[in-house]
Formats: sequence, structure tokens, C-alpha cells
Amino acid sequence: AQKVTQAQTEISVVEKEDVTLDCVYETRDTTYYLFWYKQPPSGELVFLIRRNSFDEQNEISGRYSWNFQKSTSSFNFTITASQVVDSAVYFCALSGPGTYKYIFGTGTRLKVLA
Amino acid sequence: ETGVTQTPRHLVMGMTNKKSLKCEQHLGHNAMYWYKQSAKKPLELMFVYSLEERVENNSVPSRFSPECPNSSHLFLHLHTLQPEDSALYLCASSQDAGLRDTEAFFGQGTRLTVV
Repeated sequence: AQKVTQAQTEISVVEKEDVTLDCVYETRDTTYYLFWYKQPPSGELVFLIRRNSFDEQNEISGRYSWNFQKSTSSFNFTITASQVVDSAVYFCALSGPGTYKYIFGTGTRLKVLA
Repeated sequence: ETGVTQTPRHLVMGMTNKKSLKCEQHLGHNAMYWYKQSAKKPLELMFVYSLEERVENNSVPSRFSPECPNSSHLFLHLHTLQPEDSALYLCASSQDAGLRDTEAFFGQGTRLTVV
């Protein structure tokens, strides 16, 4: 079975702090894809990153970075020097072969306080 | 206009009403999706259309009826809903229905309240 766990329901940080959002996944597939999405108060999910199971390189995009570790089945997301505009719900998702689905986690609500 | 547009943004309906949610994508994608987002639950995939054909139906009650007249438009027809159907309904599109290695683009959703 496929499953995504985001154990952190809500995190509050003060602006300029670094914050890491955890994502742990379960799958029996050897080929799979992991995603992060951001859902601001306006409602739409905004795509942030896609990573395939054969690419364990960490990625950095501005203040965002992602740490993919197959050994621990984790795909964690770090925001450096957080800003109020980072306040949103963040979703981790998994997809695999032969499926039309993303398997989403329950999301982590991030509140960045000024 | 670009992206995925959903109307209405908010909808309140009685349990005996019939209403429709509309989704339109201007991205030239071939696949469209309906998701349901309830509080403290993972997003639930409801329906998937690929090239206007339904390719997945996740045991959704018949009071929800999708329609995809062309690859740019997707509707969700609602009738005799229950209060537990109150949720945010999100529409998404992707280049093709194999979501595996392509990202989906989401609309802002319709906040539905059933009274």
C-alpha cells in the first residue's frame, strides 16, 4: 500500500527562522515520484517540486531546499529565513506507476509570525 | 486568462437542491481531475478524465456526477447532497492522465456548504 505521513499538523515560527517540514512515505514500487505543494489561503495548490525515486540529490531553490533519503523513506522540506508569505498548508504527495493518483499527506499548516 | 479556473468560489445549498461546479483550464492539458478536501483529511481523488473519457471513479456516491464535454471543461453536478459533503472541491489538470511524473495544476476550489 502507498501512504504519505506528515506528522506535523501545525508549526509556528517567527519570521527569519528556519523550518523543516517532514514527509515520510511508504511504497512497494521501485519507481515512484514525490511532490511538494503549497496551499495558500486562496485555496489552490501550487506545485513546488517533483523528485523521482532514482534521483536522491538534494535540491535548493532560493530559500527552499529538499532532502530526499530513500534509506529512511523521507522527503523533507526546509524553508530558510522564513517569511510571512510562507504561511500556508504544505502537502507532500506520492505517485507511482499504473496509477492516476497522487497519494497526499494530511498537510502541515505553517504559520510564520512577524 | 491562464491556469485553472473554478466557479463558483463559494456555494451554499440545501440538501434537496441541484447545483453544478464548473472548472476550466487554459493550459492545453489532456487530463482533468476532481478532488475533495475535507478538514483534517488527505485530499481525496474523486474522478479523472483523460481526453474527455472518465478513466477513474473512486467509489464516489452517485449524488456526485461528473461531466467533461471537452478537454478544457469539467463539471461536477450535485444533487441531494448530505451535510458531510461540505468541503473544498478542487479541480486540477495535467498534461496527461499519467500523473506519475508530471505535476498537476490546481484551481482555487469551490467551498461547498450543504445545509
